[in-house]
Amino acid sequence: DGGITQSPKYLFRKEGQNVTLSCEQNLNHDAMYWYRQDPGQGLRLIYYSQIVNDFQKGDIAEGYSVSREKKESFPLTVTSAQKNPTAFYLCASSKPGQAREKLFFGSGTQLSVL
Amino acid sequence: QQQVKQSPQSLIVQKGGISIINCAYENTAFDYFPWYQQFPGKGPALLIAIRPDVSEKKEGRFTISFNKSAKQFSLHIMDSQPGDSATYFCAASMRSNTGKLIFGQGTTLQVKP
Repeated sequence: DGGITQSPKYLFRKEGQNVTLSCEQNLNHDAMYWYRQDPGQGLRLIYYSQIVNDFQKGDIAEGYSVSREKKESFPLTVTSAQKNPTAFYLCASSKPGQAREKLFFGSGTQLSVL
Repeated sequence: QQQVKQSPQSLIVQKGGISIINCAYENTAFDYFPWYQQFPGKGPALLIAIRPDVSEKKEGRFTISFNKSAKQFSLHIMDSQPGDSATYFCAASMRSNTGKLIFGQGTTLQVKP
């Protein structure tokens, strides 16, 4: 089945630690996105990538980093600079030129701080 | 001007009733308005979408009503079912914004049997 796989489902971060969230897709989509979901705040865009080896900051990129070395993969690193990392993180992808029309989401990773 | 305001934050409806979720926007450059449905522990999925050249779009029990002059749009769920219990997000985008979606705050719907 085609889709987006996020792992792990649950992740715990210690103070001062960097953690990496995995996102893999087999939909052959060019564009990939990372969103952060907090209760009552909707979905906020962290980073997005429209092609391999290129990515742009979204609305809340501070404290996060990404890479896009392969079309299928778009990992997100939550760095120690992100002071409030507890949230539900969602990865998404879209067909070329269709980000407005339809985003395909993974099942998310819940990140909590120990 | 980039915001989309969604209300209510939560909604409880009896089975068979009508669920109504409202969204408002300021930026008249928005020209595409989708709704996403999210079940607990899952990612959102596109439910239905509308463009401002029509005032209503219906797909099964789900209808979007769009009021361009008021800059408001709403989702109506007719004959609401317990399986409709989920979080619903409205969103908006503009052609010039590289396809980025601006999401509302979300509405958690509970349909009681």
